[in-house]
This record gives sequence, C-alpha cells and structure tokens, in this order.
Amino acid sequence: GENVEQHPSTLSVQEGDSAVIKCTYSDSASNYFPWYKQELGKRPQLIIDIRSNVGEKKDQRIAVTLNKTAKHFSLHITETQPEDSAVYFCAAIIYGNKLVFGAGTILRVKS
Amino acid sequence: DTEVTQTPKHLVMGMTNKKSLKCEQHMGHRAMYWYKQKAKKPPELMFVYSYEKLSINESVPSRFSPECPNSSLLNLHLHALQPEDSALYLCASSQEEVAGGQFFGPGTRLTVL
Repeated sequence: GENVEQHPSTLSVQEGDSAVIKCTYSDSASNYFPWYKQELGKRPQLIIDIRSNVGEKKDQRIAVTLNKTAKHFSLHITETQPEDSAVYFCAAIIYGNKLVFGAGTILRVKS
Repeated sequence: DTEVTQTPKHLVMGMTNKKSLKCEQHMGHRAMYWYKQKAKKPPELMFVYSYEKLSINESVPSRFSPECPNSSLLNLHLHALQPEDSALYLCASSQEEVAGGQFFGPGTRLTVL
C-alpha cells in the first residue's frame, strides 16, 4: 500500500545550525517528492521538490536528496533561522496525481 | 494570479445545515483537489478533479459532495455533517500533464456543532 514515513516527529536546533528531516516511501513507482512547510494557522507551502531522475536539488539554504534504491529522501536546511520554525511535511506522488504525506516534523529553531 | 483562494475562511454549521465551500484558481491548472486536515496531522486527500471530471474519490462519505463547475472553480457541498467532520478543508491545484507541485489555498476552518 501507499505509505510515507517521516522522522523525526520533532526537531529542535540552535539558530545557525543545520536541520535534516528524513522520509521513506513504500511504492517503488513513486516519481515525485515535494516538501511542504506549514506555519501555524496557514496553508501548506511548497518549498522544494525533486523528481526521480535527479539525486539532489538545492534552493538557497534548502536542499533535498533522493535515494531511489533505498526509497528514501531527505530535506536539509542550513543556517537555520527562527522563521524556519514550522511543521514540515514530506510527500510522495503516486498514480499521477495522488499525494501521500508523511506525518510531519515540528521544527523549532531556538535563537 | 498565482494563488488559490478559498471562501469562507471560517464556517460554523449545525448538523442539519447545508453549506458550500468554494475554491478558485487562475493559474491554468487542470487538476484540483480537496483535502481535510485535522490538528497536528497531515492533509488527507478527499477528491481529485482532472479536466473538470472526478478522477479520485477517497471513499469519502456522501455527506460531502464535490462539484467542478469549470476549470477554475471547485466547490464542496456539505450536508448533515457530524461534529467529527470539524477540520481545516484545503483546496489545491496543479498542472495535470506533469506530476508537479500542488499549490494549496488558505483553507476553510469548519466547525460542526
């Protein structure tokens, strides 16, 4: 069945440190992996995504890596800032348009 | 316009009421979605419309009835809801041709009394 596992459930880091969130998926046919950031009371916001033909993608302080063989992908945030504090969801898209989300990671950046 | 909009922002309804949630996008996207999100949980897919046709129904109870009047609009009609249906209802859209990013609206906070 479709399943995306996400770890850790909570992550506290000091401002300026790096944060890493990891996800694994079960469907080997999954070919698209977005990450969403959701601040309290706001909509999930797409922050970065990666397709199955790419191993790594960067956008300023954010990067995502994908290991298709192991069926896992990770979000890396460098030089964390207080405004990075939010819930982060990984997801895997299957059947063309169906997104399956991980359970979420609460990231707290302490200043 | 690069946003998905939703109305109303908040809705309180009784279990015998009929109400509708509305969603609109002007990004030329051909796929639109309804999600339900409970507190501290990820969004759960309810319905997918592709080219104005219902393509996925995730076994949602019939008290939720989706409608796609045109490629820019998506409605969710609500009738005889239960208190456990209280949640944030999110609309999203994406380009149909590519398994690309889904862009979410701000949501409607629904409370069923």
